[in-house]
Amino acid sequence: DAMVIQNPRYQVTQFGKPVTLSCSQTLNHNVMYWYQQKSSQAPKLLFHYYDKDFNNEADTPDNFQSRRPNTSFCFLDIRSPGLGDAAMYLCATSRPGGLSSEQFFGPGTRLTVL
Amino acid sequence: KNQVEQSPQSLIILEGKNCTLQCNYTVSPFSNLRWYKQDTGRGPVSLTIMTFSENTKSNGRYTATLDADTKQSSLHITASQLSDSASYICVVEYGNKLVFGAGTILRVKS
Repeated sequence: DAMVIQNPRYQVTQFGKPVTLSCSQTLNHNVMYWYQQKSSQAPKLLFHYYDKDFNNEADTPDNFQSRRPNTSFCFLDIRSPGLGDAAMYLCATSRPGGLSSEQFFGPGTRLTVL
Repeated sequence: KNQVEQSPQSLIILEGKNCTLQCNYTVSPFSNLRWYKQDTGRGPVSLTIMTFSENTKSNGRYTATLDADTKQSSLHITASQLSDSASYICVVEYGNKLVFGAGTILRVKS
């Protein structure tokens, strides 16, 4: 089945220790998104890729970086995680434009910062 | 400012009962409106998606309505089941971006 896969599902890191979250998709969608969702809050868009074009949200901290080596994979790098970065990180994909731009979400990676 | 507001914040109902969740938005220009269901610890899953010209869309026991004039939408759940316990998120799209509501947490009790 075509899907959005996130690994790992749970990640524990130490304060200041870099961490990388992974997302892969079998939908062959052009657009990939990374969201941060804190407890009982709406997902907050960090950035998205339209093919290889990277689009950063204005209020996304520099601590968050992303890489998209190919269509299928996208990585979220947190260079120096702080306690406030503990959250669920959601990856989503879509085709560009119109109704077909429905976003399909992965199951998320829950990040704990000790 | 583009905003999506949902009410109530949380809701508890008995299994088998119906319920209606509300969504008001100020997003402009408006492309479409979606309702997502998010189980605890999981990613959101799409329930319905409607353009401005659609008034209602059903998906099994879920029926969404949209009034583009008043910028209001509702999600009606019929004959609720325990598995309906989740957060329901209203999302409005403009361009290639989404504006998320904070969600309504629904708990269905037996």
